[in-house]
Amino acid sequence: DIQMTQSPSSLSASIGDRVTLTCRASQGITNFLNWYQQKPGKAPKLLIYAASSLASGVPSRFSGSGSGTDFTLTISSLQPEDFATYYCQQSYTTPRTFGQGTKVEIK
Amino acid sequence: QVQVIQSGAEVKKPGSSVKVSCKTSGGTFNTDTLTWVRQAPGQGLEWMGAIIPMFGTANYAQKFQGRVTINADKSTTTVYMELSSLRFDDTAVYYCAREVWSGNDNWLDPWGQGTLVTVSS
Repeated sequence: DIQMTQSPSSLSASIGDRVTLTCRASQGITNFLNWYQQKPGKAPKLLIYAASSLASGVPSRFSGSGSGTDFTLTISSLQPEDFATYYCQQSYTTPRTFGQGTKVEIK
Repeated sequence: QVQVIQSGAEVKKPGSSVKVSCKTSGGTFNTDTLTWVRQAPGQGLEWMGAIIPMFGTANYAQKFQGRVTINADKSTTTVYMELSSLRFDDTAVYYCAREVWSGNDNWLDPWGQGTLVTVSS
């Protein structure tokens, strides 16, 4: 199975901060990498697909980049509604696997 | 607009089975890939398996092989996930999600609201 490792596990940031989350795959997955946002008690929500494509309705302050084994999700200016847990997921092969998540908290 | 609606919460005893349903609407059910993902309390997301109703054969994560069955009822556009020999650590929220394919890319969207399965004696 492909292992997905996210860093950091959690971070504290302030409104307006630029935040970068990292995801690393245990083997190359080209650009088959998706990002999801999950708020407490809610289902995950798609943010970014194919490493860098913004999902419909997602604010442009979110962006994704990377290819191969290393990927990043960037929030250019953190807003109150962005405090959540973020998961990366590889869709290169089955079983699909997720990172352990990065929790973004208010400083 | 594709919608995914799951059945309600369940409480089960260890050793028993649970069957969770996932009704979809607004998509192309037969050719969609419907996926099950679970999340234990305070933990991350875990892919369990998926099915394309048109083909009828499911693909399961090795961890759940022999304990999970995913099937589809084309007449009601509903997918089912049955997990047997339940253990306390099967307590989790179980999500159904549609895997979208576009060209060579694929992703999970939308997700159902989740079904809490509690295993308790």
